[in-house]
Amino acid sequence: EPEVTQTPSHQVTQMGQEVILRCVPISNHLYFYWYRQILGQKVEFLVSFYNNEISEKSEIFDDQFSVERPDGSNFTLKIRSTKLEDSAMYFCASKYEGETQYFGPGTRLLVL
Amino acid sequence: GQSLEQPSEVTAVEGAIVQINCTYQTSGFYGLSWYQQHDGGAPTFLSYNALDGLEETGRFSSFLSRSDSYGYLLLQELQMKDSASYFCAVPSGNTPLVFGKGTRLSVIA
Repeated sequence: EPEVTQTPSHQVTQMGQEVILRCVPISNHLYFYWYRQILGQKVEFLVSFYNNEISEKSEIFDDQFSVERPDGSNFTLKIRSTKLEDSAMYFCASKYEGETQYFGPGTRLLVL
Repeated sequence: GQSLEQPSEVTAVEGAIVQINCTYQTSGFYGLSWYQQHDGGAPTFLSYNALDGLEETGRFSSFLSRSDSYGYLLLQELQMKDSASYFCAVPSGNTPLVFGKGTRLSVIA
């Protein structure tokens, strides 16, 4: 069964460093999302991407964040200058249509 | 904006039935989804209700009442592996999901 994959599974970085989180959505999907989940808290929406552009973003998704779909398969989230409060699990999700979003296994980001 | 309320924790006995409630306030409503998340894992889609009534998928059922802004997830014949967090969620705008804070279900023997 097709699945969303994410790399790396864990990332440790120093405050102020740039990180790139990578996702490979399910191949025929059209809508792509990034969410984050701070430990013990709910899943929060960051950004959605459709037709090669951002379609919606939350207040969390400030100028430090950017997304790209550099080729037909990868979908990346970049954090330009990480802060301690960026430590969280980051989930990529995708869907073809309808309401079912398929989530990747997540990247656990720790900012020191 | 969107807000969802669900109980923070529920404990139930193996083999029993448990209901997890969710009330929501939304500006525009497309439907109510339920996701399961095991510790350290990703949210996994369980069900979606766009219309009032009960949707059944095996041991799991989900109910929606749009007039009451209320829904629930019903888990029957509970198994130990059902111990997880359960989130209700509503689509917002171009269907990014807004999640509730989650209900941690503990199944005990």
